Amino acid sequence: DTEVTQTPKHLVMGMTNKKSLKCEQHMGHRAMYWYKQKAKKPPELMFVYSYEKLSINESVPSRFSPECPNSSLLNLHLHALQPEDSALYLCASSQDTTGYNEQFFGPGTRLTVL
Amino acid sequence: GQQVMQIPQYQHVQEGEDFTTYCNSSTTLSNIQWYKQRPGGHPVFLIQLVKSGEVKKQKRLTFQFGEAKKNSSLHITATQTTDVGTYFCAGDFGNEKLTFGTGTRLTIIP
Repeated sequence: DTEVTQTPKHLVMGMTNKKSLKCEQHMGHRAMYWYKQKAKKPPELMFVYSYEKLSINESVPSRFSPECPNSSLLNLHLHALQPEDSALYLCASSQDTTGYNEQFFGPGTRLTVL
Repeated sequence: GQQVMQIPQYQHVQEGEDFTTYCNSSTTLSNIQWYKQRPGGHPVFLIQLVKSGEVKKQKRLTFQFGEAKKNSSLHITATQTTDVGTYFCAGDFGNEKLTFGTGTRLTIIP
């Protein structure tokens, strides 16, 4: 199984809502990533988890809160988002974070903040 | 900071013509990866280049890594409609993450 799954596919939320994005992989990968992608732009790294511990936070605003409950799951909790946070949120995983491993991306969650 | 630039930003080619995208880094890379993202899709890994001057081929796709490990290219011979998408290079600067290039969007004119 070389698939990364993400739920939901689409999400519309108001600025006062709290929601969560979910990501799952069963490849035994020990590195998991959250990226944000705006239209016609490259994926922009937000967070890296290595062996279930947060190893990189790319100065992401605290309204985004990542969580890694176990080695297969990655969540992104959203609270008090702004309209400019509307984007495609991609989850990815790789064997580890050494950089010599390909990253497997999920299909993404398309988020709209009203 | 560490940046990875790609040119061109957009490329429209007649089906059957060749296509090349170039990737340039501000500093030396440990390795470079290439990804393809179809319209409405997600990035999919194509290949990784590690050695200075390395050349790898996948059917009609040829990938090169520069001698100084600061640039790379992807060349597609005789494009087909299935080649449509955005091609990203992604550089590893040895800091446990990939830095994606700005991408080249390829459209094919049938």
